[in-house]
Amino acid sequence: AQKITQTQPGMFVQEKEAVTLDCTYDTSDPSYGLFWYKQPSSGEMIFLIYQGSYDQQNATEGRYSLNFQKARKSANLVISASQLGDSAMYFCAMRDYTRSGSARQLTFGSGTQLTVLP
Amino acid sequence: DVKVTQSSRYLVKRTGEKVFLECVQDMDHENMFWYRQDPGLGLRLIYFSYDVKMKEKGDIPEGYSVSREKKERFSLILESASTNQTSMYLCASSLPLAGGDQPQHFGDGTRLSIL
Repeated sequence: AQKITQTQPGMFVQEKEAVTLDCTYDTSDPSYGLFWYKQPSSGEMIFLIYQGSYDQQNATEGRYSLNFQKARKSANLVISASQLGDSAMYFCAMRDYTRSGSARQLTFGSGTQLTVLP
Repeated sequence: DVKVTQSSRYLVKRTGEKVFLECVQDMDHENMFWYRQDPGLGLRLIYFSYDVKMKEKGDIPEGYSVSREKKERFSLILESASTNQTSMYLCASSLPLAGGDQPQHFGDGTRLSIL
């Protein structure tokens, strides 16, 4: 079963508008962490924001905020005041356990391609 | 800033060749990771290492091996390359997870084509 689900393969947003990228997750671990990464067309993965499962408040980093709804198991990324440079692929990831169960790894969703229109 | 450097941005090899992908990080990170990225599948973990000479299989280790002889360098090896290993390969590093979640820092990726 997929542990991280991003249901929007592609999204369009007008410049200066806000946009929400969806992410749902599945885990039975009471302690977990959720990450968002941005991948521009050049290929590098850029860390954006992190939310811990016990954090009381939603994480924010500049124009990025994470809408964390624990009961619904969702961790949506909100980008306010979109800019042309925000056009990229966005990945949601969750801290997970390795096959052996002895160590932790990140499990990634399939990504959402965001295009900001001028 | 953390710098993770992958030896090649683009690489073309032939079926059956032994292929080495090299990754070097300059932040003294204990953890290093190799992923492959395919359209519609996101990033999938191949192998990771949490210390020199230590390694652990990720989700898709078949057909790959790794080597970590020095802390700063983590190599991915395709013992006998096959066309289904054509993909984008990403290396990452991070501090240990103990004490809280640590973000992974990625290299620019290697686009590998196996003909």
